Amino acid sequence: EILLTQSPGTLSLSPGERATLSCRASQAVIANLLAWYQQKPGQAPRLLISRASSRATGIPDRFSGSGSGTDFTLTIDSLEPEDFAVYYCQQYGTSFWTFGQGTSVEV
Amino acid sequence: QVQLAQSRSELEKPGASVKVSCKASGYTFTSHVINWVRQAPGQGLEFMGWINPMTGDPTYAQGFRGRFVFSLDTSVSTAYLQISSLKAEDTAVYYCARGASTAGLLEYWGQGTLVTVSS
Repeated sequence: EILLTQSPGTLSLSPGERATLSCRASQAVIANLLAWYQQKPGQAPRLLISRASSRATGIPDRFSGSGSGTDFTLTIDSLEPEDFAVYYCQQYGTSFWTFGQGTSVEV
Repeated sequence: QVQLAQSRSELEKPGASVKVSCKASGYTFTSHVINWVRQAPGQGLEFMGWINPMTGDPTYAQGFRGRFVFSLDTSVSTAYLQISSLKAEDTAVYYCARGASTAGLLEYWGQGTLVTVSS
């Protein structure tokens, strides 16, 4: 099983600032099949990024993903108030899919 | 548009069983895998497994073999999760999520069903 470690656990920022979230895998993620999801309190997760860097439909371009192999990054340029949430990375290249433990982006 | 509508919250006693439903609409039900994900209170996401609506074959992640059963009724485009011999630690929100063309990419999610196990 591929373990995903996200850092930091909590990121305290203000609106307008840039958020940089990290996801490190215990082994290389096949074909960079790494996704990012956003979850707000009381809501289901929402897909943001697939294949490490492809934005999902309707996702604003302030969200960007990068990385390959074992190290991946989600960047949120100029945080909007609605971006304060928990973010999870997930690998889906090797069965069984696994999630990171999440990074909370808070004010 | 694609929608996954889950059944409402359940309160069950330890040892009982519960069945959560996930009704799909807006696409051809048999064309995409349905995944199940658990989220315990205040915790992260945990992948449980998937079921292939084309074949009916379920696949269970470690930790979800035995008391957890995935099933389908393709006539009503609905997937089910049944949990038997409920324990307090099964208390969680259970999500269904449709796989994309790559099965493990969770493109669309149900709203979640809270299962509470308490005496």
